[in-house]
Amino acid sequence: KQEVTQIPAALSVPEGENLVLNCSFTDSAIYNLQWFRQDPGKGLTSLLLIQSSQREQTSGRLNASLDKSSGRSTLYIAASQPGDSATYLCAVINNAGNMLTFGGGTRLMVKP
Amino acid sequence: NAGVMQNPRHLVRRRGQEARLRCSPMKGHSHVYWYRQLPEEGLKFMVYLQKENIIDESGMPKERFSAEFPKEGPSILRIQQVVRGDSAAYFCASSLLPRTGNTGELFFGEGSRLTVL
Repeated sequence: KQEVTQIPAALSVPEGENLVLNCSFTDSAIYNLQWFRQDPGKGLTSLLLIQSSQREQTSGRLNASLDKSSGRSTLYIAASQPGDSATYLCAVINNAGNMLTFGGGTRLMVKP
Repeated sequence: NAGVMQNPRHLVRRRGQEARLRCSPMKGHSHVYWYRQLPEEGLKFMVYLQKENIIDESGMPKERFSAEFPKEGPSILRIQQVVRGDSAAYFCASSLLPRTGNTGELFFGEGSRLTVL
């Protein structure tokens, strides 16, 4: 059974810092990995998707890497801003499955 | 190009009543997934449907919960005889299939928040 863990559970940083969010998964036979953002009381916004054959994806100030063999992904946020404050969720789809398995999320607060 | 549309956004029910949550997938998507997010918990898979078929309901509680995705109209998640423990945010996602040759990316709606009094 796939299990996804995100560390840290919560993070508070001053504006402008570069930061790294970590995600680990137990079963390396994944189809893809997705990073989402969730604002309080809102839905999920897809940030980046990494196919199992890829090593990283970039979008603006966000960069996500994938090391499938070690079961790890990181989300790098450059020059953080207060508007980045949200919960960041990591999720994987297994090769043999149909559903996303989510981590518990990292609650990020960026202070002005 | 509208995204995944869910309604109602908020629903209040008394114990024992029925709750019906609706989801219209993105245009061109014929595969729908329902997830539940309990307060202060992560998202958990409930059910995966294609048009007129339930493909995987391994995350669905055995009693009181049912889902459908008819040939015409939105997908419906139905909860009968609701209890307080059903209070949660219910999210719908859709994807473009077949997965082969497709990134498998899921797009989520804004969710329906059910409160059971």
